[in-house]
Amino acid sequence: DAGITQSPRYKITETGRQVTLMCHQTWSHSYMFWYRQDLGHGLRLIYYSAAADITDKGEVPDGYVVSRSKTENFPLTLESATRSQTSVYFCASSVHRGVGEKLFFGSGTQLSVL
Amino acid sequence: DQQVKQNSPSLSVQEGRISILNCDYTNSMFDYFLWYKKYPAEGPTFLISISSIKDKNEDGRFTVFLNKSAKHLSLHIVPSQPGDSAVYFCAATETGANNLFFGTGTRLTVIP
Repeated sequence: DAGITQSPRYKITETGRQVTLMCHQTWSHSYMFWYRQDLGHGLRLIYYSAAADITDKGEVPDGYVVSRSKTENFPLTLESATRSQTSVYFCASSVHRGVGEKLFFGSGTQLSVL
Repeated sequence: DQQVKQNSPSLSVQEGRISILNCDYTNSMFDYFLWYKKYPAEGPTFLISISSIKDKNEDGRFTVFLNKSAKHLSLHIVPSQPGDSAVYFCAATETGANNLFFGTGTRLTVIP
């Protein structure tokens, strides 16, 4: 049971480059999320998706693009990476999006933008 | 502006004793609260939750207390075990919302 997997685990890129972080889940969960974790901020929601082809902005969406052509995949793209996007990125999924619905997180991608 | 705050970045406790992790929130619309536990190099995992209609929820060694008037919740771990050493995140949300607001985390170290 693979669950939810993220790739790569570590990524170093340069300012201005485009980079895509991958997220794949095997549970067929409807909802998927991208969070970033930064010191002093906890985890903040970037984008979420309620189903294939349905996405919406979270708390900190600027500079990011998402797509969800298939239920199991939810890639996050930084169109032109900036140093402020250096962070640990977590993908998560849930069966529903009701109050209190548990999120299942991947192991994270540590991204450094030089 | 941080809507969920964990003011203690770290906590050390002896094995077998009680660990108390605290969390404060500012948004009075929040009506559901969760605790997540995170080990190094892993994603957060759900630990325990509580609805605003309750003031206490228990699950084995873990108990969460909610004080709505003070906008405060706490997680009690009794007895603490070395395997509990991790970062604990408090999170809150409101009915109908799509976002879960997280605190900055408290690193718990249980000393054998």
